Amino acid sequence: GENVEQHPSTLSVQEGDSAVIKCTYSDSASNYFPWYKQELGKGPQLIIDIRSNVGEKKDQRIAVTLNKTAKHFSLHITETQPEDSAVYFCAAFIQGAQKLVFGQGTRLTINP
Amino acid sequence: GAGVSQSPSNKVTEKGKDVELRCDPISGHTALYWYRQSLGQGLEFLIYFQGNSAPDKSGLPSDRFSAERTGGSVSTLTIQRTQQEDSAVYLCASRYGGGFSGGKYNEQFFGPGTRLTVL
Repeated sequence: GENVEQHPSTLSVQEGDSAVIKCTYSDSASNYFPWYKQELGKGPQLIIDIRSNVGEKKDQRIAVTLNKTAKHFSLHITETQPEDSAVYFCAAFIQGAQKLVFGQGTRLTINP
Repeated sequence: GAGVSQSPSNKVTEKGKDVELRCDPISGHTALYWYRQSLGQGLEFLIYFQGNSAPDKSGLPSDRFSAERTGGSVSTLTIQRTQQEDSAVYLCASRYGGGFSGGKYNEQFFGPGTRLTVL
């Protein structure tokens, strides 16, 4: 079935450094790839997304890249701040099933 | 505008009791999803509604779990004869849906969740 692999499962970086989280997907028909940030005790929040007709998208300190040929996409956070500490989930939208398939999550810790 | 809301925010129940969890999606969103998240774990898909029908119930873990949606809006997830392993956060999400792809139709928004504790 459809699968999304996310790496790493945990990531610790110094404040001000960059963080990169990578995901791969299996369904070549996937056309929409959102990223969610989940803070402790809260529901996941959509932070950025990319569609299959775009290779890169940027929103202030966060950016997402998509390589359709290799079927992988990445989240890049620059100039990290303590408030970036959270669990991040990637996902791929399965058009046939009309649902998102999620990666396993990455716990990002920003060290002051 | 208002986001996805869920109630109650917390529910503590005794093993064997039935519980009902409620989800109010964003107005106009036809697609609604339920997920379960155990402590420190990922998002486990439970069920998908399009309007009032559920074309995908494949994630419901047992026949103790059921869900319904009325009027194409509010949804309730019912767990009968709760077990300790049912303890988790239950998340609801909604999406514009409508069968279109691309643009705003794919954006999916989550509620804050209901934390269920079965003693």
